[in-house]
Order: sequence, then structure tokens, then C-alpha cells
Amino acid sequence: SYELTQPPSVSVSPGQTARIACSGDALPKKYAYWYQQKSGQAPVVVIYEDNKRPSGIPERFSGSGSGTTATLTITGAQVEDEGDYYCYSTDSSGKGVFGGGTKLTVL
Amino acid sequence: QITLKESGPTLVKPTQTLTLTCAFSGFSLNISGGGVGWIRQPPGKALEWLALISWDDDKRYSPSLRNRLTITKDTSKNQVVLSMTNMDPLDTATYYCAHSLESRGILTGYYSTSNWFDPWGQGTLVTVSS
Repeated sequence: SYELTQPPSVSVSPGQTARIACSGDALPKKYAYWYQQKSGQAPVVVIYEDNKRPSGIPERFSGSGSGTTATLTITGAQVEDEGDYYCYSTDSSGKGVFGGGTKLTVL
Repeated sequence: QITLKESGPTLVKPTQTLTLTCAFSGFSLNISGGGVGWIRQPPGKALEWLALISWDDDKRYSPSLRNRLTITKDTSKNQVVLSMTNMDPLDTATYYCAHSLESRGILTGYYSTSNWFDPWGQGTLVTVSS
């Protein structure tokens, strides 16, 4: 079955740039999405269609892709950005797949 | 404004069937492009995609759970129902429903479509225990 691979954790100091990578064989042909989940809350999309930012999401969040890797970048990470981040995409049959999640620590 | 809310039992016994209802507002499953999906998250673990139903009644299931899942919609009630048979303690999780949107585009020369989720319901914790 199709898999998306993320690092389990990323840690940065406030104001630094955090980058979370997501690798998957189908990513060159399928959009990547990024979800932020804070403790006890439902996930919220922060990037859709590889690099688009929904209204209300701060400009410090951006997405990019190169080959089989999608990357979420938080430029100038803030303490309030701490949480779990999941990449998401679909396989060739249209079924969804989530990455294993990355715990972002900002301290 | 789109909202979704999950409802169903908080406790089920092993081997029983779980039935969850997603009540939504702010969109219609009669309209092209809309859909509702179910995702679950065991305590302390990652999100897992379960199933998706589209406006045209197209249904997709997780390959690993396909034999246990059934998703249906009631457009008159603005509800989507997910059933999961033969529940096991490993199925203990928070179950989310979410509004599904469709993306279309050309990626590396290929026409690509994807369904994604926004927004999500608050989730409902289901515990499987005897």
C-alpha cells in the first residue's frame, strides 16, 4: 500500500525556520496537503495543493515540492506553531493517505 | 460556514458493529464536487484515512479495512453514516468526519485529481472494550 514518510520530530528555536519533509513515490503526480493538529483539537489544513495557503493561515507557512518530496516550511516559527503536522495525499486509485506525523517543538 | 459533527456510541464491545453518524451543514451532497470522509486517530498515534463518499455516490475505502467498512449518505437529512463491523480493541480511536473537496490539475504532465478535507468535525472518541 502507498505510504508517505515524515520525520517523527523537528525542533527549532522561536524565529528560526522549520522544515518538515514528506516523501512519497506518487507525489510528482499527486497534490500534497499539510495539516496542523494541536493537542486535543481536530486537524486544520495549513497548505493545500502543494503550495496554496488557506485564508487565515499566517504567511510564515509555505509549501513546496521537488520530485518525490513535499516540504512544509515555517519561516520564523512561533511558539504557537507547536503541534503535530501531517502530510496528506492520495494514491493512484483516489484513496487518501496520511504521513506518520511530525511533532514540531518550538523552544 | 461549513460545520460537521460526529455522533455515536462512546463504548462498544469486541465483535460488535460500530455505527457513526456525521451531521453536516453549510454544503450539500447533491452538488457536484462535494463529499464527506472519515478519518480516525488512535490515542497518541497518527491519522488514518478510512473512507470517502462523494456527491455522485462514489465510495472509496481504505484497502486494509475495506471488508469491514460501509459508508452511506442521506442527502435529505444532510448526514453520512459509517459502519465498521467486528470491532476490536485496536479500533479504539477518535473518529473524525470531514468535508471533502476535489482538486484537479496538471502535475508533471499528468492530469491529477485528489480529494482532501476541510473543515473537520470535532471528533468522537470510541473505546472498544468488554
